[in-house]
Amino acid sequence: EPEVTQTPSHQVTQMGQEVILRCVPISNHLYFYWYRQILGQKVEFLVSFYNNEISEKSEIFDDQFSVERPDGSNFTLKIRSTKLEDSAMYFCASSGQGTNNSPLHFGNGTRLTVT
Amino acid sequence: SQQGEEDPQALSIQEGENATMNCSYKTSINNLQWYRQNSGRGLVHLILIRSNEREKHSGRLRVTLDTSKKSSSLLITASRAADTASYFCATVSQAGTALIFGKGTTLSVSS
Repeated sequence: EPEVTQTPSHQVTQMGQEVILRCVPISNHLYFYWYRQILGQKVEFLVSFYNNEISEKSEIFDDQFSVERPDGSNFTLKIRSTKLEDSAMYFCASSGQGTNNSPLHFGNGTRLTVT
Repeated sequence: SQQGEEDPQALSIQEGENATMNCSYKTSINNLQWYRQNSGRGLVHLILIRSNEREKHSGRLRVTLDTSKKSSSLLITASRAADTASYFCATVSQAGTALIFGKGTTLSVSS
């Protein structure tokens, strides 16, 4: 069964550094998402992306965050200047038809540790 | 907020028992979805129930939806140790382009 893959599985970075988290969504999916989960807490929506533009973003997704689909297969989340509170699991997801008609398929996440 | 809220926060049962988790939400919905998360892993979709459906089954899972009460329940019958995980309900955001998850119920099934 096709799956969403995320790399790296664990990223350690120093405060103030830029990080790029990478995702390869399921190949025929058109809708893409990033979520984050601080340890032991709920899964928080960051951003949704369709047709090469952001569809919706949460208040967490401020100017420090950006997303890009640089080619036909990758979907990336960039954090420009990391803060300690950005430490979390970041999950990428994709869906075939959008949230009203189809489920989201999640990757296994990237654990980001900011020191 | 249209976010779903699960109840209870944590549930501990013995293998073979049934587990029921509830979800309440605040606004009208097109559908409600349930997901499972094993520790340290991504979420896995379990069931999508549409607003015009009252009940849906998938194997040992049974989901009900009561739109008049803005609530849903997930029943896992004859639970197994492998069902140990966190379970989340999710509803579509007001903009319609994202799923918003509740805080989840952590289920622990002991053998």
